Parts: sequence; structure tokens; C-alpha cells
Amino acid sequence: EVQLVESGGGLVQPGGSLRLSCAASGFIFSSYAMSWVRQAPGKGLEWVSGISGSGGSTYYADSVKGRFTISRDNSKNTLYLQMNSLRAEDTAVYYCAKYRITMVRGVIDSLYMDVWGKGTTVTVSS
Amino acid sequence: SYELTQPPSVSVSPGQTARITCSGDALPKKYAYWYQQKSGQAPVLVIYEDSKRPSGIPERFSGSSSGTMATLTISGAQVEDEADYYCYSTDSSGNHGVFGGGTKLTVL
Repeated sequence: EVQLVESGGGLVQPGGSLRLSCAASGFIFSSYAMSWVRQAPGKGLEWVSGISGSGGSTYYADSVKGRFTISRDNSKNTLYLQMNSLRAEDTAVYYCAKYRITMVRGVIDSLYMDVWGKGTTVTVSS
Repeated sequence: SYELTQPPSVSVSPGQTARITCSGDALPKKYAYWYQQKSGQAPVLVIYEDSKRPSGIPERFSGSSSGTMATLTISGAQVEDEADYYCYSTDSSGNHGVFGGGTKLTVL
């Protein structure tokens, strides 16, 4: 069974840092791109970041670029999100999600999240 | 930055057809995907690549896309379909994901 389990959330002061982890099981982790999606209290879903299976390519939403870093350790089947310079507006449930990608003639044709974790809560407050 | 636009809410009676729209400039070239999120739960994929249904999703869920608008249709909506629904796609580069603002479906 494919499973994603997030951890590392908690209460942090504005300007502080936090590292989230996502432990993956049930699939060949290194073969799949992964992503982080967040949801502020009472708000909608927001795509945060994505990373290729090898870790060589990373992508960020404008709202977190320069402050957050996505990475992965394929030997540990674990995805990470290092969050620095945290702000109150970063308060959210953070979900880890597995990408499903379809390529056509070497170009990405379809890209979406097919499996999600249950999320971990990050609260930025003094 | 790229945006997908959804109506904030849709309301139908049980057994009626619910339609939720999603508009975006890149949709003619990019697929739309739909996620269902019930209160306190993680999102669940209900439609992928505009109109395909994952295994385990009831047949009453269907999707379509034409021009800059994608539509999620729930034929014969049931009370258990009450949830927030989000469309998802990527920007023209394909590297950045984007969600619509979400639509709260009420079935009563």
C-alpha cells in the first residue's frame, strides 16, 4: 500500500525555521517526483513546491521562493521541506504528495498528485 | 502569476446534477484535475486529465474541458458528495502547479 506520513510540524516564532519530513512507503520512491501542498486555516489548497525523482530539479511557488527548500533522500525514502524566515501567513497544514507524470515524446503531458499524506500542522506565531 | 477561477459555492438537492466550473487561460493546452476534500481530510483525486476517473471513484463523477473552461459534473449528487472541490492544473511552463480557489458543494 502506498503511504506518505508527514512529520516535523509545530509552533515556531516569526522569523524562525522548521524542517518537515515525509516518509514514503509502498512504491519505488526514487522513481517519482514529489510535492508539498499547504492549506491555511479555513482557506484553499496552495501548491508550494515540487522536486524530480532524482532531486536534480526543484520548483517553488512565488510565495515561498528563496525561503523554502525542497529536497529528498532516496536512500531513506524521505522528502523534506526546509522552511526559513517563517511568517504568520505560512501557518497551514502541509501535505506531502506523490506526483504521477505521463510523458509523450519526451515531454511532460500530464502532471498531478495522485497520493497524499494526512498532513502536518505548522503554526507561526509569537 | 497564473490563476484558476472557480465559483465559491454550488448547491443542489439530492439526485440533481451538480456542475462546478474552473476557468484558466492555459487550460486549452494543459489538463485539468479535480480533487474532493471533505472536512478535516486530505484531498482525494476524483478526475484526472480532464475527464478520466480513477479506480474507486463513482461513475456519477465526470469531467470535461473546452477552451479555457473545465467542468466537474456530479450526476445524481448524493449527500455524501458534500465537500470542497478544487481544480488543479499547471502554468504554461508546466513546472508550477496551481489550484483554483475551491468550490463548496452543498447537497440538501
